[in-house]
Amino acid sequence: DTGVSQDPRHKITKRGQNVTFRCDPISEHNRLYWYRQTLGQGPEFLTYFQNEAQLEKSRLLSDRFSAERPKGSFSTLEIQRTEQGDSAMYLCASSLSPTGGPNSPLHFGNGTRLTVT
Amino acid sequence: AQSVTQPDIHITVSEGASLELRCNYSYGATPYLFWYVQSPGQGLQLLLKYFSGDTLVQGIKGFEAEFKRSQSSFNLRKPSVHWSDAAEYFCAVGGYSTLTFGKGTMLLVSP
Repeated sequence: DTGVSQDPRHKITKRGQNVTFRCDPISEHNRLYWYRQTLGQGPEFLTYFQNEAQLEKSRLLSDRFSAERPKGSFSTLEIQRTEQGDSAMYLCASSLSPTGGPNSPLHFGNGTRLTVT
Repeated sequence: AQSVTQPDIHITVSEGASLELRCNYSYGATPYLFWYVQSPGQGLQLLLKYFSGDTLVQGIKGFEAEFKRSQSSFNLRKPSVHWSDAAEYFCAVGGYSTLTFGKGTMLLVSP
């Protein structure tokens, strides 16, 4: 069990630029989640995949955000035309959950901290 | 809609003293409940979970939590706090898909 891996750990970008983050889940996990965490807040759900299918998206996920999970393995989260309000920690998590079954505990990566200047 | 309330933003406990962190949830069916801990700059680590059965659940690092359906609560406890327990603690509720987290309680441990 190598854990959930996220890359990069830190990203500083200028407003208006595009950024992309990568998440490698625990290999046998079929669900992959993206959360966003701002200072003093708990993680807020953005989206999740069951294998390669994106099953749910939060209202927080504006049309500037897009997530993919090709082949049901790693995932990328892209933010286009970044804004200062996008500055946050972006957390990826994975779990092994049967289709239609209850959620098993999420295993989190260490996150990507985004700073938009 | 599901939600979690952690009423205490900060708690300070003396080392060796007991700890209780409060969590209240709102969920339309039988909830799955979790406690996670986060150290600065790190991801979240699962402490314990409640799915069904015994309402008192044991977790790692000497933590336990009790599910009380009548009070919609899932409070986290530890009989004797160690300095290394200083961190932020998050309660979460979920069902078949997503988890909803509370805003967290920051635990400070004084010598």
